[in-house]
Amino acid sequence: EVRLVESGGGLVQPGGSLRLSCAVSGFTFSGYEMNWVRQAPGKGLEWVSHISSSGSLIYYADSVKGRFTISRDNAENSLYLQMNSLRAEDTAIYYCAREKRSYGLDVWGQGTTVTVSS
Amino acid sequence: SYELTQPPSVSVSPGQTASITCSGDKLGDKYACWYQQKPGQSPVLVIYQDTKRPSGIPERFSGSNSGNIASLTISGAQATDEAAYYCQAWDFSTVIFGGGTRLTVL
Repeated sequence: EVRLVESGGGLVQPGGSLRLSCAVSGFTFSGYEMNWVRQAPGKGLEWVSHISSSGSLIYYADSVKGRFTISRDNAENSLYLQMNSLRAEDTAIYYCAREKRSYGLDVWGQGTTVTVSS
Repeated sequence: SYELTQPPSVSVSPGQTASITCSGDKLGDKYACWYQQKPGQSPVLVIYQDTKRPSGIPERFSGSNSGNIASLTISGAQATDEAAYYCQAWDFSTVIFGGGTRLTVL
């Protein structure tokens, strides 16, 4: 069974940091691009970051550029999102999602909740 | 930056056909995808490459993409189709989502 399981969310103060993880199973992780997508309470989907299958190509949304860092460990079948200088507007459910270009984001995790508040 | 625009809401009667549009500059030159998200659940891919359905998605879901408009059509809408629907495309290597459309079946 193909599975993506996010972890690492929680309550953090403004200016703080969190590291999200996404553990994958059931498919060859190194063969797929991966994304982080977030959803603020009551709002729509917002793409956050993309990493190529090898990790050599990385892209970020302007809203997180310079504060967030995406990475992956293909040997450990894991995707990460290091989030620094967190702001209230970063409060959201964070999903990891598998991508095969032009085939869409075909598998999503259950999400992990990040709350930035004092 | 590239933008995709969707109507905030669409209503349909059970058994009728619902159509949700997504507009973007020369969207027809890109591949469009559609996602369904029910309350409290993760998004699910229902259409990819403009018109294709992933395994397990009912045949009543179909898509098209031409010019500046991509469309998701649900033929014979059911109560279980009530959800938010998001279109998505790529702008170079970044993923772009539309703002989402809440489909009400009543």
